Parts: sequence; structure tokens; C-alpha cells
Amino acid sequence: GQNIDQPTEMTATEGAIVQINCTYQTSGFNGLFWYQQHAGEAPTFLSYNVLDGLEEKGRFSSFLSRSKGYSYLLLKELQMKDSASYLCAVRDSNYQLIWGAGTKLIIKP
Amino acid sequence: IAGITQAPTSQILAAGRRMTLRCTQDMRHNAMYWYRQDLGLGLRLIHYSNTAGTTGKGEVPDGYSVSRANTDDFPLTLASAVPSQTSVYFCASSDDGGTGTDTQYFGPGTRLTVL
Repeated sequence: GQNIDQPTEMTATEGAIVQINCTYQTSGFNGLFWYQQHAGEAPTFLSYNVLDGLEEKGRFSSFLSRSKGYSYLLLKELQMKDSASYLCAVRDSNYQLIWGAGTKLIIKP
Repeated sequence: IAGITQAPTSQILAAGRRMTLRCTQDMRHNAMYWYRQDLGLGLRLIHYSNTAGTTGKGEVPDGYSVSRANTDDFPLTLASAVPSQTSVYFCASSDDGGTGTDTQYFGPGTRLTVL
């Protein structure tokens, strides 16, 4: 079967750095997405990786290793507004997105 | 403002009733999707449409139907609602229907409770 694993919950301090990991086992791979979802709101797109390596976008970076079935989202200079769930999704051989259950990130002052 | 709208925002429904969730996008995206989101589970695809006039089944299609008469609208119908269909429903759209980056953009969601 297809599977996306992420930690259920993480806690970090304002101003610090946090890394959210995602491992996947899917039938085929056509890209990996990270989305942010604030409580009661819709998911919003953060990043996309299809080749191995690091993609940097401001305070957020995303890394992919296809051989290891592994990605991480790195958030720097954490702000209180970064408190949200972070969803990892992989596009499979049918070009459908397979979603992880999300990681709830709690930021403490 | 361009984007995706969903209606209603929330609904309480008696089991056995028929219900249609509406979704409209004004971005002229080819592909549209319906997901349900339940606590502790990832988003699960119900149905999708790669272009107007075509639809396909996702991971959890049973009890749901869709139509895509035009580019903008993609309604989801529950023919006879059951309590297990209590969930938050998200509609999404993407530009090129499955290739390239094909980022999905989400509507605000419909919170449905079936009693």
C-alpha cells in the first residue's frame, strides 16, 4: 500500500529552527509537496520538490532524497503565526496526491 | 478576487437525506478535486476531474457522485447521507491536470455533520 509518515505533533520555541520529517512509500513518484494548514482553514501551498536537494524559499526550505523516500521541511526564525499543521503529499504514478496526516506544530514564546 | 468558493460553509444533515456541496473556481483551471479530511487521517481523494466533461474515482468514492458540466463548477452529491460521511470537505483545483508542478489550490471547506 501507499504510505506517508510524519510526526503527529512537534513543539518549538519562537525564534528557533524546526525540522519536520516526512517519509513515504508510494507507487511511483512524481513530486513531493508541503502545505501549511491553520486550524479551521484550507491547506495552502508551501513548496514542491521533484529532484533531490534543497529548495529554499525565505524562512522555509524543503529537502528531498528520492533514494531514501525522505523529505523534510525546515522552518527558520519561527514566529507565532507559524503555529499550524504541515502536510506532506506525494504525487504517485497516477498523478494523484497521497497525503500524510500532517504534523501539528506548536510554537511557544 | 480569484479563487475557489464552496457552499455551504457548514451543514447539519439528517441521515438518509440528499445533499449537494457546491464548488466554483474562477481561475480557469482544468482539474478539480474533492477531498475529505478527518481527524488523524490525511486528506483523502473522493472524486476528481481532469477537464470539463470527465470525472474519475479517487480513494473513497462510495456514497458520493460528481459532475463537471463546465470548467468552473464541480458539485459533490451525497445521495443518501450516513453518519460516517461526517467530515470536512475540501474542493481544490489545479492548472494542468496532472503534469508539471500542478499545484493544487484549495477552497475554504464545508463542515458537514450527518446525524
